[in-house]
Amino acid sequence: DGGITQSPKYLFRKEGQNVTLSCEQNLNHDAMYWYRQDPGQGLRLIYYSQIVNDFQKGDIAEGYSVSREKKESFPLTVTSAQKNPTAFYLCASTSKGGNTDTQYFGPGTRLTVL
Amino acid sequence: AQSVTQLGSHVSVSEGALVLLRCNYSSSVPPYLFWYVQYPNQGLQLLLKYTSAATLVKGINGFEAEFKKSETSFHLTKPSAHMSDAAEYFCAVTRGSYIPTFGRGTSLIVHP
Repeated sequence: DGGITQSPKYLFRKEGQNVTLSCEQNLNHDAMYWYRQDPGQGLRLIYYSQIVNDFQKGDIAEGYSVSREKKESFPLTVTSAQKNPTAFYLCASTSKGGNTDTQYFGPGTRLTVL
Repeated sequence: AQSVTQLGSHVSVSEGALVLLRCNYSSSVPPYLFWYVQYPNQGLQLLLKYTSAATLVKGINGFEAEFKKSETSFHLTKPSAHMSDAAEYFCAVTRGSYIPTFGRGTSLIVHP
């Protein structure tokens, strides 16, 4: 089955640590996205990538970093510079990154800072 | 700039009653509008989308939405609520490029 996988499902981080969230898709989609979800705030865009080896900052990129070395993979690193990283993180992809494209989402990773 | 407003963070209905979830948008260009559903601790999945064809759009699970340009609205409806409809619903609009802007979400509660 085609889809998006995210791992781990739950992640606990100590303050001052960097952690990396995995996102893999086998839909052969060109564009990939990372969102952060907090209760009552909807989804906020962290980073997006339309093509391999290229990515753009979203609305809340500070304290996060990404890479896009392969078409199917778009890992997100939450750095120690992110002051309030506890949240639900969602990865998504679209086939071409067009205005009418449907976003396909992974199951999410819940990050908790201890 | 494009934005989406979802009126009501929580909507409560009885099983079998009409479901109405409100979404208003602001856009300087013709919008493309989406409704997504999220079940607890899961990702979002598409319910339906408006792409400038028919103004009444039918989606999965008996949901539909009508694009009303004069009211800048794209409200989601379902004639008869089912317990399995309990979830978070998000309205979204794509920007001039292709990045969607999501509303804050409406939690649908269905009472037996």
